[in-house]
Amino acid sequence: NAGVTQTPKFRVLKTGQSMTLLCAQDMNHEYMYWYRQDPGMGLRLIHYSVGEGTTAKGEVPDGYNVSRLKKQNFLLGLESAAPSQTSVYFCASSLQTLPGGYTFGSGTRLTVV
Amino acid sequence: AQSVTQPDIHITVSEGASLELRCNYSYGATPYLFWYVQSPGQGLQLLLKYFSGDTLVQGIKGFEAEFKRSQSSFNLRKPSVHWSDAAEYFCAVGAYTGRRALTFGSGTRLQVQP
Repeated sequence: NAGVTQTPKFRVLKTGQSMTLLCAQDMNHEYMYWYRQDPGMGLRLIHYSVGEGTTAKGEVPDGYNVSRLKKQNFLLGLESAAPSQTSVYFCASSLQTLPGGYTFGSGTRLTVV
Repeated sequence: AQSVTQPDIHITVSEGASLELRCNYSYGATPYLFWYVQSPGQGLQLLLKYFSGDTLVQGIKGFEAEFKRSQSSFNLRKPSVHWSDAAEYFCAVGAYTGRRALTFGSGTRLQVQP
């Protein structure tokens, strides 16, 4: 009954460092998404995947890369972190794009100093 | 491309009072529409969704929403608010074509006064 699990939950990075955020789902969902949440801006789509081995850009993809090597995992990478990437990152998955809606993870709070 | 506007950034209501949160969308065809709720420090939970049929949809926790095509709106309502409803609420729209992912509004933070 894990649903969507994000690791880590919190992280502080220095400018220029790299890191990978992991999203894992155990619901056999085809679609997975990465969003970032910033105050007053709602959730903005970074990248998404419509199946194993496929990825696509969202609204704000610059500075991020993703991989979906296994159906259950969707990784978000920051190659060279910048303070503008300080945000809360949410992963979500869905059985089909629409109309089922998403199941969200609990988020990763990332601070870049 | 689709878009969502939530005109109210912050709303305060008294416990027991009725609630209406506004959502306006922009999309060329009939959209899929959703309302999500986020409690502090938590992920988002689906409250309700609309994709066809009856324009008044019922959700969890006593919430309902009405799709009005003529007004491009999907407002969320609750007849009597409880203190536990204090949270941030997000409206989202999905499209049938193009980028097949949800577009979210900027959110409305609900505060409930005792």
